[in-house]
Amino acid sequence: QVQLVESGGGVVQPERSLRLSCAASGFPFSSYAMHWVRQAPGKGLEWVAIISYDGSNKYYADSVKGRFTISRDNSKNTLYLQMSSLTTDDTAMYYCARDSWGSGPACPEYWGQGTQVTVSS
Amino acid sequence: DVVMTQSPLSLPVTLGQPASISCRSSQSLVHSDGNTYLNWFQQRPGQSPRRLIYKVSNRDSGVPDRFSGSGSGTDFTLKISRVEPEDVGVYYCMQGTHWPLFFGQGTKLEIK
Repeated sequence: QVQLVESGGGVVQPERSLRLSCAASGFPFSSYAMHWVRQAPGKGLEWVAIISYDGSNKYYADSVKGRFTISRDNSKNTLYLQMSSLTTDDTAMYYCARDSWGSGPACPEYWGQGTQVTVSS
Repeated sequence: DVVMTQSPLSLPVTLGQPASISCRSSQSLVHSDGNTYLNWFQQRPGQSPRRLIYKVSNRDSGVPDRFSGSGSGTDFTLKISRVEPEDVGVYYCMQGTHWPLFFGQGTKLEIK
């Protein structure tokens, strides 16, 4: 079955960087687009970024554009989110999600359990 | 940006009664391929989100048939025909047609 396991979260100081990973299994990883979605404590879901099946197309939320970079390694079945210039507003649970398709319009289908990122001095 | 607006934000429902959640988008969600990419998600307390409905009205595998989605263009609805205890949680719509993607604010369903 589809499994998505996020890691790399933790407590980080403002202006520092952090890299999240999402290990995928149970499906052909290189065939599907992948998302990062976050949820601040007590708040709703916020879409962060998407990468197409082959990494050729990437889109970002305005709130993270220029600071976050989504990438993937299809040989390792792993999705990444490189986060830099972190602020307290980036404190959230970060989920990775698999889309229903490889590219084009988005329909996040399967979700991981999330990894917590806390930005605090 | 396409803004997604849900109503109500809080929905107290008696067990066995129907429930309805509205989701409106600031632009049409009809894609150039002719499909409309409007998804619905359920997030139970303490859990990850789960997709219920994709492309307006297609129910995901394992989703009870008491859940249904409808709508077109900019106006969409999620209906639960008879609310069960396990339906408690927050429901989100999300548009997948235009970049960047946006979720609605969420509707918290609780049992009266």
